[in-house]
Amino acid sequence: EVQLVESGGGLVQPGGSLRLSCAASGFTFSSYWMHWVRQAPGKGLVWVSRINSDGSSTSYADSVKGRFTISRDNAKNTLYLQMNSLRAEDTAVYYCAMVTRSESFDYWGQGTLVTVSS
Amino acid sequence: QSALTQPASVSGSPGQSITISCTGTSSDVGSYNLVSWYQQHPGKAPKLMIYEVSKRPSGVSNRFSGSKSGNTASLTISGLQAEDEADYYCCSYAGSSTFPYVFGTGTKVTVL
Repeated sequence: EVQLVESGGGLVQPGGSLRLSCAASGFTFSSYWMHWVRQAPGKGLVWVSRINSDGSSTSYADSVKGRFTISRDNAKNTLYLQMNSLRAEDTAVYYCAMVTRSESFDYWGQGTLVTVSS
Repeated sequence: QSALTQPASVSGSPGQSITISCTGTSSDVGSYNLVSWYQQHPGKAPKLMIYEVSKRPSGVSNRFSGSKSGNTASLTISGLQAEDEADYYCCSYAGSSTFPYVFGTGTKVTVL
């Protein structure tokens, strides 16, 4: 059974940093592109970032480019999102998600809440 | 990249059919048959319901169906049931390396 479990969320002050993790199990992690998608409170889903299977290629939404860094450790079956220079508008539940076919997000974690506030 | 446009809310009585529209542009929905739909219950993670416009993952009820015409995709729920009450989001592949996916604004489905 595919499982994605996020951790690392919490309350952080504006300008601060946080690193999210997503532990994967139940599939060959190193074979799949992985993504982060976020959802601000009461709002819709927004794609944030993706990384290819071996970690050599990454992409970011303009809103986080230069501040967030996606990475992965295939030996540990773990996806990361390093978030720096956090802003109030980064407040959201962050989901890790896996695309297995046809550019659709087949599996999602339960999400981890990041709150940026003083 | 702007979000795809969905109606804020749609409602129906048990047993009825409802349709949710998802309007994009010629750069996303209109260019690719890579529209997916997600169901999200309160406090839960999204769940894939439809991929490639009209295909259902294993385990998803055949009461859910998808279609596309031009820049607009649609999700139809037939035989509406109480457990279908949730938020629904469409998503389209957009091809750009800097913004490859665009989600819809979301639709709240209410079962009356």
